[in-house]
Amino acid sequence: DTEVTQTPKHLVMGMTNKKSLKCEQHMGHRAMYWYKQKAKKPPELMFVYSYEKLSINESVPSRFSPECPNSSLLNLHLHALQPEDSALYLCASSQDWGREADTQYFGPGTRLTVL
Amino acid sequence: GQQLNQSPQSMFIQEGEDVSMNCTSSSIFNTWLWYKQDPGEGPVLLIALYKAGELTSNGRLTAQFGITRKDSFLNISASIPSDVGIYFCAGLSRGSNYKLTFGKGTLLTVNP
Repeated sequence: DTEVTQTPKHLVMGMTNKKSLKCEQHMGHRAMYWYKQKAKKPPELMFVYSYEKLSINESVPSRFSPECPNSSLLNLHLHALQPEDSALYLCASSQDWGREADTQYFGPGTRLTVL
Repeated sequence: GQQLNQSPQSMFIQEGEDVSMNCTSSSIFNTWLWYKQDPGEGPVLLIALYKAGELTSNGRLTAQFGITRKDSFLNISASIPSDVGIYFCAGLSRGSNYKLTFGKGTLLTVNP
């Protein structure tokens, strides 16, 4: 099983709302990732968690707040977003972080629209 | 930072034709991954390559890890309409700080 699940599938929010994106994997992977993807562009890395600890923050604005409650779950809390934050948000997981032979598996994504 | 040059940018082919796309870099990668992405969906892993010179198949798909570690190609044989989508290559190495470096994608259109 190489499945990463994400909820919700679609999300529309106003600029003053607070919402959360959720991601789950049951592959026993110790690394989890958040990516942002604009139309017809490759995914852009936002955050990396390794063993439930934040390892990389790619200078993401503080209106995006990641959380890793346990090794299977990853959340992305959203607050005071801007319309330009509208995008497909992808979660991914891999066996480990910091290995040169590793494979990332992506979830189906959450299509976020900020009004 | 490291960059991947993926080509072609787009392809329009007839059903049944074979397809080839590739990624090149000036930097060495130790893992090459090929993904397919349908509109509004997440990238789906097609093939993972871990050794220079490795040639791996997955049904009608074949991918190779270049011997120099600086390139990889993906071939699709006997294309079908459901092959439509965007194909991304991605590389991983210590030099990229273990972050995936993506190509810009190849948009494949298959005419029935």
